[in-house]
Order: sequence, then structure tokens, then C-alpha cells
Amino acid sequence: QQPVQSPQAVILREGEDAVINCSSSKALYSVHWYRQKHGEAPVFLMILLKGGEQMRHEKISASFNEKKQQSSLYLTASQLSYSGTYFCGTEDNAGNMLTFGGGTRLMVKP
Amino acid sequence: DGGITQSPKYLFRKEGQNVTLSCEQNLNHDAMYWYRQDPGQGLRLIYYSQIVNDFQKGDIAEGYSVSREKKESFPLTVTSAQKNPTAFYLCASSPLRASYNSPLHFGNGTRLTVT
Repeated sequence: QQPVQSPQAVILREGEDAVINCSSSKALYSVHWYRQKHGEAPVFLMILLKGGEQMRHEKISASFNEKKQQSSLYLTASQLSYSGTYFCGTEDNAGNMLTFGGGTRLMVKP
Repeated sequence: DGGITQSPKYLFRKEGQNVTLSCEQNLNHDAMYWYRQDPGQGLRLIYYSQIVNDFQKGDIAEGYSVSREKKESFPLTVTSAQKNPTAFYLCASSPLRASYNSPLHFGNGTRLTVT
């Protein structure tokens, strides 16, 4: 069962902050985050592990709450280059293959 | 530069025809994957392969077939049995099976349109 991402879409002004959530009904071992610009390949941002620390990629950080089976991606002081669709991929404790959420479309306007 | 090459970028076919999408990687990765992307549905796994001459079905394998005769190549055939083949197809690879220590590297995709 795929994780659920929220919101489905968000529009920001340059410099504003945003949070994207990824929730699963399964006990998770790891969460991957990727960003895809229109017509391009998804690009890896970061992996969060069960019991691990909060991760950071430039001004984008993420956390993983194992008890809630949820990960959140924090985009601080957003830049135009942050625009794209963000996907989370989850790996459960049963060792099943990575499963992706439906994506969150982020648009940053000047 | 190392990477994943998918060709062609756009592909048009008539209904009832089989079509093969190419995926080549020079990253020396063991694992390769095919994903299908439809609007609003994220990435869904079609097939994956962790070693040469071996592959497993993903969540939506019906109507698709693959081969892994060489480490660098993982072609996907969309057969006439696939009921709704029009989609964006992404190939990916990773050093090991995608997991906590092995992120995916994606190709630029092939957009298939079947009419």
C-alpha cells in the first residue's frame, strides 16, 4: 500500500516556508525523498532511517517519526529552484520494495 | 559522465502492437527498475532486477515483460495485453536493492502514447 502525501499541491512566494508530509499505514524502516522537475528524471534528496537523525539537503531538511509512521520534508526560505514534484518512498520493516507516494506539486513564485 | 539513458524520449504506437523501451546504465549498478508514472498516482513499480538473468514482478507487471541479459541493459516490452499503456515510463538503477543505503538513480523517461 502506497504512502499518502499531503498536501497534494502548494504554491509559495519566494522566501516562504513549506512542509510536505508522508504517512504510511505500515511500520517503516526508511523513507526516501526525491524531487522531479517537469519532464525530467526524479532526483534523490535524502534518506531517513529508523532511529536516525534529521537529514538536510541544502536548505531542505526532513524528519522521520517512527511511532507515527510519518516523515515530513521542510523547505525553508524557498527558492524558485525548489519548484517541482516531491515524492516520498517508503521501505517497511518486512523488507518489501520501496513504495512511492502520489507526489506533492510545489510551485514557488517570485 | 555516468548515468542512465532511456530511449526514445517520445514513442507513439498503434493499439495492438508490442513496443520495447530501452534502458542502459553505465554506473555499474547491480539493481535496475522500471516504474510507470501516471498523473496524480506517483511512481508504480513494474519490474525490477537485482542481478543479471534474474528479475521479479513489481506491483503492476501484467501486460509487461523484461529481460536482463547484460548488467548495463534492462529493456521493457509493453505488450498488447497491457490495457492502458499510455504513460510516462521511468527506468532507475541502484548499487544494491533500493533500501536505506541505496538510493535510486533515474533516467529521463520515455513518454509512450498508444492510440
